[in-house]
Amino acid sequence: GAVVSQHPSWVICKSGTSVKIECRSLDFQATTMFWYRQFPKQSLMLMATSNEGSKATYEQGVEKDKFLINHASLTLSTLTVTSAHPEDSSFYICSAHQGSTDTQYFGPGTRLTVL
Amino acid sequence: GQQLNQSPQSMFIQEGEDVSMNCTSSSIFNTWLWYKQDPGEGPVLLIALYKAGELTSNGRLTAQFGITRKDSFLNISASIPSDVGIYFCAGRPGTSYGKLTFGQGTILTVHP
Repeated sequence: GAVVSQHPSWVICKSGTSVKIECRSLDFQATTMFWYRQFPKQSLMLMATSNEGSKATYEQGVEKDKFLINHASLTLSTLTVTSAHPEDSSFYICSAHQGSTDTQYFGPGTRLTVL
Repeated sequence: GQQLNQSPQSMFIQEGEDVSMNCTSSSIFNTWLWYKQDPGEGPVLLIALYKAGELTSNGRLTAQFGITRKDSFLNISASIPSDVGIYFCAGRPGTSYGKLTFGQGTILTVHP
């Protein structure tokens, strides 16, 4: 199957700082990528749809100024958590949509801890 | 919006037993996907289904796309300890390019 990487795999930061998470599709191009947040023992919660060359589409209740998304190329999307606070601590997962198979492939996730 | 009901929420089984889980939707989906997630990892695609009635296998796993396009099931035969994890169904409605709706997940525990 297709491979999606995510970096970093975990990060610890101080409250008020910004954190950038990268999502890369390694062996296919993805015009659309997705960012999810997951709480322990719960399903994935879609935060936003990242579109290459255009603005991201945010789900209701997700602050676009807090969670900045940039889809700079067909293989890279980044999520920046700005002015992070402890309540932003979570597991963030990206996925890339492979158009030829209409399938989403997920990255390994990033564990964010805000102190 | 669309909702997926996945059941059961959790299962505790003995090694060697067969497992069955399913998802139902209030509306039609064009694609059904089944994923497995291990603790601290991202979901891994198990099986993808694209046509109503389609039955697809991947080793000990078998999944079917319901005829009504509103449901799907996943079977695991002869379970082994490494089958432990959370299994998610996901469906793509025809109106959304790529965007998936996820089930709540089934937590599977396999006792040796």
